[in-house]
Amino acid sequence: QTVVTQEPSFSVSPGGTVTLTCGLSSGSVSTSYYPSWYQQTPGQAPRTLIYSTNTRSSGVPDRFSGSILGSKAALTITGAQADDESDYYCVLYMYSGISVFGGGTKLTVL
Amino acid sequence: EVQLLESGGGLVQPGGSLRLSCAASGFTFSSYAMTWVRQAPGKGLEWVSVITGSGGSTYYADSVKGRFTISRDDSRNTLYLQMNSLRAEDTAVYYCAKDHHSSGWPRGIDYWGQGTLVTVSS
Repeated sequence: QTVVTQEPSFSVSPGGTVTLTCGLSSGSVSTSYYPSWYQQTPGQAPRTLIYSTNTRSSGVPDRFSGSILGSKAALTITGAQADDESDYYCVLYMYSGISVFGGGTKLTVL
Repeated sequence: EVQLLESGGGLVQPGGSLRLSCAASGFTFSSYAMTWVRQAPGKGLEWVSVITGSGGSTYYADSVKGRFTISRDDSRNTLYLQMNSLRAEDTAVYYCAKDHHSSGWPRGIDYWGQGTLVTVSS
């Protein structure tokens, strides 16, 4: 059973930079997993930030960027703003056709 | 403008069935893989199922395999999720989502619907 790992929580100061990661319980994440990142605030549908590792979805500011860092996918937020306080989820596409979400990271901006 | 509108959610008893629909507009529906994602109350997102463009292939999470069936009607621009043998743990908001890649294979969601709530309870 493949588990996708994310930090449960993270905090960043306003104006600061934070990098959230998305890993595998066994093995390394590569671009072949087409990592994607989604932002969700309570009571709202998810919003796509990044797909295929580093492609920003339409309308997403360039403060959000995706990459592979070492053995994990990463989402970096620069110049953090108060309304970036949300839950962030990654998802990885497995070769078997299924996809698996990480457990999500609750980001606090304070 | 891409729009995805789910319907069909509601209250159902354990062991019952429900069919969700997702009406799509604003893009060439048949060209894109479509996905169902759910979120139980207070929990994270869970990938449920995907169907490739034109319906050639389907894939399911282990938690729903054998009970749920994903399908699409490209003539109606509509995605479906037939849910049978429902359990309390299937209670969740179910989101319909569009893939970004026009190859028809899943490569990452770009648009989401607003979701429909399914409650399984006696």
